[in-house]
Amino acid sequence: QPVLTQSSSASASLGSSVKLTCTLSSGHSSYIIAWHQQQPGKAPRYLMMLEGSGSYNKGSGVPDRFSGSSSGADRYLTISNLQFEDEADYYCETWDSNTWVFGGGTKLTVL
Amino acid sequence: EVQLVESGGGLVQPGGSLRLSCAASGFTFSTYGMNWVRQAPGKGLEWVSYIRSSSSTIYYADSVKGRFTISRDIAKSSLFLQMNSLRAEDTAVYYCARVASLDRRVSDSWGQGTLVTVSS
Repeated sequence: QPVLTQSSSASASLGSSVKLTCTLSSGHSSYIIAWHQQQPGKAPRYLMMLEGSGSYNKGSGVPDRFSGSSSGADRYLTISNLQFEDEADYYCETWDSNTWVFGGGTKLTVL
Repeated sequence: EVQLVESGGGLVQPGGSLRLSCAASGFTFSTYGMNWVRQAPGKGLEWVSYIRSSSSTIYYADSVKGRFTISRDIAKSSLFLQMNSLRAEDTAVYYCARVASLDRRVSDSWGQGTLVTVSS
């Protein structure tokens, strides 16, 4: 089954941009993933679905500041013009036949 | 607007049982697969179980296989998780999530979650 690897933490300044990475394990580099945001004390929120081609499809109401891209086994979430409300945990998710997998999550701090 | 509302969580003793429910609205429930996903305190997300739209296909994580049972009631637009032989390590917030499609099986909507605490 695939494994998703994420950095445990990231930080960036208010108004700047940040690029978060989710890396698929060997043999799974073509897999589609989803990005989810979880603000403190809240349920996860679906942000987007991202394909290996770099094509992405955002969820309803997700600001234009959020975008996705891909390179090989890496799936990226870029957040532009960072706002304090973007401070959250970000998880990637994928599936394979009979199982679903989440990355360990990246805690984003907005400075 | 898609809405998923979980209920049924609470405090239960080790070895006990609990039944979680997820009420769905705002979409055609009968045409979507559904997942249960949990999150232990301070930890990340962990997939628990999947049920296909027709209930013809069901999967479980190894950690709950043989103890948990997923089901759905199309007429009531509801998803369920029957949890038996509960252990301390099952303590978590349990979320129901809609699966986007058969060929894009990621979660594209989430409920607010219900807390299950297993403790004596």
